[in-house]
Amino acid sequence: DAGVIQSPRHEVTEMGQEVTLRCKPISGHDYLFWYRQTMMRGLELLIYFNNNVPIDDSGMPEDRFSAKMPNASFSTLKIQPSEPRDSAVYFCASTSGLAGTYEQYFGPGTRLTVT
Amino acid sequence: QQQVKQSPQSLIVQKGGIPIINCAYENTAFDYFPWYQQFPGKGPALLIAIRPDVSEKKEGRFTISFNKSAKQFSLHIMDSQPGDSATYFCAASINSWGKLQFGAGTQVVVTP
Repeated sequence: DAGVIQSPRHEVTEMGQEVTLRCKPISGHDYLFWYRQTMMRGLELLIYFNNNVPIDDSGMPEDRFSAKMPNASFSTLKIQPSEPRDSAVYFCASTSGLAGTYEQYFGPGTRLTVT
Repeated sequence: QQQVKQSPQSLIVQKGGIPIINCAYENTAFDYFPWYQQFPGKGPALLIAIRPDVSEKKEGRFTISFNKSAKQFSLHIMDSQPGDSATYFCAASINSWGKLQFGAGTQVVVTP
């Protein structure tokens, strides 16, 4: 398996623009997580899905952030409008609840810079 | 408010030394305590994990010690190597499929 795939790997955008980050989880995994990593706040869970349904979005910072999972193999995290303070590395991770291992497999991340 | 407190922030040891990273938590409902390792430009990867019914777990050169009464757990890296230089995160979750609360991370540097 190719692991968790994220695109783009790097994104530079201007304040006010819409940004869409994409994630393809490992095939067969039924949980998908979106995290944000910054020096100031560390690794923060933004939202997670189980079987494509959002379970907990309490970590989503503002209404400017939204996430969707239209099917088991694809998820998006959208920021509209983007602000400089959204600059961070965004990670997607997936795991299998059926496997009972609890291990989350992280993707390589998307480094977002908002100028 | 960080639910898992990790220390130190950074650590430098010589090759063969034993870096020790400590974590503390307050929520007694946590029942799963993993450690993740992250190299620059990569996503975190699971290193080793423990449950509260076990006081110690070893996997290769990595050992977790767990003290349930003190609500603390630690990672020891035995015979550390320069290739172990990375950022290490402790985490905890409550009986779920992984809503992990991460510590702030410890940057470990192992010098040759």
